[in-house]
Amino acid sequence: QKEVEQNSGPLSVPEGAIASLNCTYSDRGSQSFFWYRQYSGKSPELIMFIYSNGDKEDGRFTAQLNKASQYVSLLIRDSQPSDSATYLCAVDQTGANNLFFGTGTRLTVIP
Amino acid sequence: DADVTQTPRNRITKTGKRIMLECSQTKGHDRMYWYRQDPGLGLRLIYYSFDVKDINKGEISDGYSVSRQAQAKFSLSLESAIPNQTALYFCATSDQTSGTSGYTFGSGTRLTVV
Repeated sequence: QKEVEQNSGPLSVPEGAIASLNCTYSDRGSQSFFWYRQYSGKSPELIMFIYSNGDKEDGRFTAQLNKASQYVSLLIRDSQPSDSATYLCAVDQTGANNLFFGTGTRLTVIP
Repeated sequence: DADVTQTPRNRITKTGKRIMLECSQTKGHDRMYWYRQDPGLGLRLIYYSFDVKDINKGEISDGYSVSRQAQAKFSLSLESAIPNQTALYFCATSDQTSGTSGYTFGSGTRLTVV
């Protein structure tokens, strides 16, 4: 069983819409959750992290965490073509001291 | 200059050859990691190091070795390269204070084994 699962996509949304990206994880003891954005051929860059249940907002991005359901999501409001990228979910599992990554969801924002 | 520098950026090598990928950082971070990325498989951890005297295997360490020459340098070696080691390799760093919240990735090394 994979530790971190994401739908691979591709997910297509029109410009200005809300993009919703989802991630589930298997280790119930996980404490830290991260979203990275990766443009094709480039390195991942951190866009959000969340530790507590609920929502965390940063500009157009909102991370949502539900530890009971072992579910974390990323919402991108007012999606722009420049948001087109692969989004990686990462989880710091119990005692691991490193991150486990999902396979990523490819997002395309259509102008 | 980049905070985390990987060399080379691209490399094509033949099966059976020994190759070293290098990573250096100016972040002052104590923790360094090597990941590989394959299409459809995401990022997978090869090795990680929390200081010069600390080396730990990740989930896919077979066929790889590492050396932490200094706090700022962490090298990954393929002793005898094989085609299924063709991948995009990333080095990452973090510090003890931020733990895993402060991952900084290098630009990556695209390795092709023919």
